[in-house]
Amino acid sequence: EDQVTQSPEALRLQEGESSSLNCSYTVSGLRGLFWYRQDPGKGPEFLFTLYSAGEEKEKERLKATLTKKESFLHITAPKPEDSATYLCAVQAGAAGNKLTFGGGTRVLVKP
Amino acid sequence: NAGVTQTPKFQVLKTGQSMTLQCAQDMNHNSMYWYRQDPGMGLRLIYYSASEGTTDKGEVPNGYNVSRLNKREFSLRLESAAPSQTSVYFCASRLQGGTDTQYFGPGTRLTVL
Repeated sequence: EDQVTQSPEALRLQEGESSSLNCSYTVSGLRGLFWYRQDPGKGPEFLFTLYSAGEEKEKERLKATLTKKESFLHITAPKPEDSATYLCAVQAGAAGNKLTFGGGTRVLVKP
Repeated sequence: NAGVTQTPKFQVLKTGQSMTLQCAQDMNHNSMYWYRQDPGMGLRLIYYSASEGTTDKGEVPNGYNVSRLNKREFSLRLESAAPSQTSVYFCASRLQGGTDTQYFGPGTRLTVL
């Protein structure tokens, strides 16, 4: 069974204080790893897809990296508008269309 | 281009009542999905439709039915609502054969009393 675990569950940062979120996974044949951002009361918003170990993607203050067992979402010099819940999901080769999500990390950036 | 739209945004039901959640996408995507999101449980797949005319069960299908009405629309029906179905429901869609990315709607917050 595919499993995704995100840590920490919650993270409080001061504006400008860089940090990393972890997503560890156990799947049979990773087809893709996805990062989403979710604001309160809204649907998940797509950020990145990573397909193979060693791959990195960046968008503004966010950078996602992938190894064979985990992914990191690095937030560099965060701003209050980066406050959100960040979700990680995996698509396994055998699962076809389906994504398995982790529980998310709630990030609060204080000015 | 509205993306994925869901109706209603909020709904309160009494135990035993029925209702249908509506989802539509205007991105010409082939695959559509229904998830529920509960505190501490993450997003869990209820049903999905890989293409028009097909539907399959996900992780938590009990108590739900779905209909892929056409390529654009995918509805979720609760025949006899139970308090355990209190949740936030999200619809998503994906362009099969593309980047595999699923795009989500804004959600329906359902409370069953």
